[in-house]
Amino acid sequence: EADIYQTPRYLVIGTGKKITLECSQTMGHDKMYWYQQDPGMELHLIHYSYGVNSTEKGDLSSESTVSRIRTEHFPLTLESARPSHTSQYLCASRPSKATGELFFGEGSRLTVL
Amino acid sequence: AQTVTQSQPEMSVQEAETVTLSCTYDTSESDYYLFWYKQPPSRQMILVIRQEAYKQQNATENRFSVNFQKAAKSFSLKISDSQLGDAAMYFCAYRISNFGNEKLTFGTGTRLTIIP
Repeated sequence: EADIYQTPRYLVIGTGKKITLECSQTMGHDKMYWYQQDPGMELHLIHYSYGVNSTEKGDLSSESTVSRIRTEHFPLTLESARPSHTSQYLCASRPSKATGELFFGEGSRLTVL
Repeated sequence: AQTVTQSQPEMSVQEAETVTLSCTYDTSESDYYLFWYKQPPSRQMILVIRQEAYKQQNATENRFSVNFQKAAKSFSLKISDSQLGDAAMYFCAYRISNFGNEKLTFGTGTRLTIIP
């Protein structure tokens, strides 16, 4: 299995709380990604990073923010969670070579009450 | 805009039989990559097979093979000798090959059930 880890796996919180979803990889990959996946739906890219100090927004507008201070770490933060943020969030990474496959974490399932 | 369509939300197959999952895509690009990913229940999504558009030969990985029809923009996945561990959501995905393009476009997935 790939060496990419997400915590927490499951989180239930109340509206207005600040949350951070953690993602770490030990493969030395430069590129990292956050996808949002709703049940029975395709994955939508919300953030990505080319490397340290690089962050970009994806296709799906998101109120979340990300940071990339270290190569191995790419946390996602919601300053004030709302029920519309309820979803599964998948972190992924890949090496820089063009054909590099994505390696995914197990996902963080967020429920906002 | 690139789109990926998986027209079969659910499929089932008898154990040891063969099943084919369909995928079509829409693009004006000539150089791109196509992928099939597998997402088992509550587990990590993993790559099943990859096809580079410039290669005419269909990719094969053990029991998994693809039928890549570039002109028809079709990329189906064939699973031979289906096993219980093959039960999962399968996602078809597409990415342009030019440097700096980070968008991997996914289809809506096909849920595959293996009947013992």
